[in-house]
Amino acid sequence: DTEVTQTPKHLVMGMTNKKSLKCEQHMGHRAMYWYKQKAKKPPELMFVYSYEKLSINESVPSRFSPECPNSSLLNLHLHALQPEDSALYLCASSQALQGFTQYFGPGTRLTVL
Amino acid sequence: GENVEQHPSTLSVQEGDSAVIKCTYSDSASNYFPWYKQELGKGPQLIIDIRSNVGEKKDQRIAVTLNKTAKHFSLHITETQPEDSAVYFCAATSSGAGSYQLTFGKGTKLSVIP
Repeated sequence: DTEVTQTPKHLVMGMTNKKSLKCEQHMGHRAMYWYKQKAKKPPELMFVYSYEKLSINESVPSRFSPECPNSSLLNLHLHALQPEDSALYLCASSQALQGFTQYFGPGTRLTVL
Repeated sequence: GENVEQHPSTLSVQEGDSAVIKCTYSDSASNYFPWYKQELGKGPQLIIDIRSNVGEKKDQRIAVTLNKTAKHFSLHITETQPEDSAVYFCAATSSGAGSYQLTFGKGTKLSVIP
């Protein structure tokens, strides 16, 4: 089973709202990732967690706040977003960090009004 | 850092024909090359991958070839079907210390015409 699940599927929020995206995997993977994908572009890496610790933050604005409560769960907390943050947010996981296959979830389509 | 170029950006084929998508990479340390298929409104799905100790890998109608010397790798889809219509991304990464990032190509939109 190579399934990564994400909720919600769609999210519409205003610029003053606070919301969270959730990601879950039960493959025993120890690396988890958040990506942002704009239309007709490849995914862009935002954050990487390895063994539940934040390993990489690709200079993402502080209005995006990741959290890894345990080895199966990854959250992305959103606050005071801008319309240009509207995108497909993808979660992925891999067995470990270097050179392992990344498996993606279905994504959350976020619209910021 | 790594740079991956992917061609063509769009590809239309008749059902039953073959499709070929090509990628080149710049970092000779890259040694793992996955291909993802992304249908509209869905996340990327791994369809095949290859490591640098192998020159070719096949899975039913899909094959990937790797030329390490020339630093390019290609996806071949035979007997295309309408359900093969999607955006395909190639990617490259290395398993070396400090490597964590998949570098993606810009994608190829494949349309299979019934």
